[in-house]
This record gives sequence, C-alpha cells and structure tokens, in this order.
Amino acid sequence: DAGVTQSPTHLIKTRGQHVTLRCSPISGHKSVSWYQQVLGQGPQFIFQYYEKEERGRGNFPDRFSARQFPNYSSELNVNALLLGDSALYLCASSANTGTANYGYTFGSGTRLTVV
Amino acid sequence: EDQVTQSPEALRLQEGESSSLNCSYTVSGLRGLFWYRQDPGKGPEFLFTLYSAGEEKEKERLKATLTKKESFLHITAPKPEDSATYLCAVQAGNTGKLIFGQGTTLQVKP
Repeated sequence: DAGVTQSPTHLIKTRGQHVTLRCSPISGHKSVSWYQQVLGQGPQFIFQYYEKEERGRGNFPDRFSARQFPNYSSELNVNALLLGDSALYLCASSANTGTANYGYTFGSGTRLTVV
Repeated sequence: EDQVTQSPEALRLQEGESSSLNCSYTVSGLRGLFWYRQDPGKGPEFLFTLYSAGEEKEKERLKATLTKKESFLHITAPKPEDSATYLCAVQAGNTGKLIFGQGTTLQVKP
C-alpha cells in the first residue's frame, strides 16, 4: 500500500514567483496537514484539511493557501515567494482529525529553494 | 502558549552507550505526545504515541515514557543505524495540529 506521496521532490523558484506543491494521502485517509521545516528546526504547522474543509491554520501569511480535492489529495500554494520560504514542505495524512493511534504519517517532502 | 523543548540539541554516543533524550512540554489539554525519527532529507517516521502520564512504549532499542511535564526517549545499546534526528511533538485541543520541538540529533559512532 502506497504511503503519503508528495510532488515534486525538489523545486527551485525565483523570488516573487508562485509555487504549487501536491500531496496524495494514504488510501482511506481523509485528513491532510501541511508543515514547513526550515533546516535545523522542527516542522511548523501550516494547514489542516479534513473532508475538503479547512480545520486549522498556523501562523503563516496569506501568501500561503491550500485546498483539498474530492479524492482527498491536496495542494499547497505559495504566492510572491521570499527567500525565507526556502524549506522542506511536509505533508501528513491521518484517518481523521482526532488523535491518531498510529501517528500522523508524513511524506518525504518537497525541498523548495527560492533564489 | 503551547510549547515543546527538546534537549540536548545534539548527542554523540559510542555504540552500546545507552542514553536518554528529553522532551519538555507546556500544553493545554494534551491529547497525545508523539516521537518521530527523521533521517536527512526525509520526512519524519512515526515511532510512538503516548497519551497519559505513566504510559510507556517500547520498540527494539527505544523506550518512550511520559510524565505530566516531559517525555523521555531512552536508547539502550544504540547502534550506528540509530543515528538520526529525533523529534517530539504534542497535539492539543480538538485540532490535528502538531507542535514540534526543534529535535535532538543523535550520532552513534562504531
């Protein structure tokens, strides 16, 4: 059974550009969360979606947006990229929004570099 | 404010030298405390979930414990393949938001 898949794996963008990152959760999982991990730090929560509705938002500017599709896959969009947006973007899936007995399963991430 | 602090930031051990990693947390309404392992350039890999003070879980050379203020990840007789960054996270309230510590980077030398 496939785990959480993210695409692309690596991406280089120029300041001011827009980027779209994609995530497919584990089959049967209805919740997708997005995290930003800057080098040397722990992941920071950006969004959670469940059943296509936003269930939580972290302390990120409005340049960050996301959505979830009927098949439970998700996109994270970032507009007007800044150098400080360079990070590993992680997607995590779970069966629901509550505490997951087996944890939240993370994908391998998308490494975004803004130049 | 909900907060997670891990110590030490980095730990170097000789193979077979047991030690513990600490995760201190301040959170309103703890719903779960998670330990993850992360290898360079990869996503975090789930290890344990702990729910209440006094709970313990084990997996191979790892054992996680939980009190009302902190959690410990004990590593017994570590091997070089245990080298990784270990992340602690808490879930609070009714959201799925995880609050992570900054991680402990463990290096085990043969």
